[in-house]
Amino acid sequence: KAGVTQTPRYLIKTRGQQVTLSCSPISGHRSVSWYQQTPGQGLQFLFEYFSETQRNKGNFPGRFSGRQFSNSRSEMNVSTLELGDSALYLCASSLDPGVDEKLFFGSGTQLSVL
Amino acid sequence: QKEVEQNSGPLSVPEGAIASLNCTYSDRVSQSFFWYRQYSGKSPELIMSIYSNGDKEDGRFTAQLNKASQYVSLLIRDSQPSDSATYLCAEGDSGGSNYKLTFGKGTLLTVNP
Repeated sequence: KAGVTQTPRYLIKTRGQQVTLSCSPISGHRSVSWYQQTPGQGLQFLFEYFSETQRNKGNFPGRFSGRQFSNSRSEMNVSTLELGDSALYLCASSLDPGVDEKLFFGSGTQLSVL
Repeated sequence: QKEVEQNSGPLSVPEGAIASLNCTYSDRVSQSFFWYRQYSGKSPELIMSIYSNGDKEDGRFTAQLNKASQYVSLLIRDSQPSDSATYLCAEGDSGGSNYKLTFGKGTLLTVNP
């Protein structure tokens, strides 16, 4: 069974640009969560989607947004990039965390903002 | 705002020893707690979950929860060099949403052969 797939693996952008990251969950998983990981702040929750609906959102500005498609694939978008957005962005999938606690993380997208 | 505190380490133990990793949390009503392992350059992987006070054992790993003290720990018995990684403690959302985890910043464990 294929794991969680994130693309691209690496991204280099400049301030003010926008970026879209993609996540394909494990087949059959309907929940997709996004996390930002930085050396200073650690792992921080961005948002979660289940059946195309955002169920919860972390404490991030509105520049961070996401969506989920009918096939459970998810994208997150960051607009007007800032230097502080440089981080590893991790996607995690689950059958439904209310039922199955285990989150499976993808390898992440390393975003560098110059 | 929920907070999870961990000693950043590094924690260094000899092969075969017991590694003890500790974590405290701020939200008294939290119900679920998790330990994730993250190898350098890799993504986090769940190794233990615990919901009730006391101990939970799985192979060489034992998770301990003390809700009165708001304290979670992970013991690794017979530590192996392959256990060298960053261990992340996380608590679930008070509303029971296990996808919305609050993570500590992790403890780097090094097991020396």
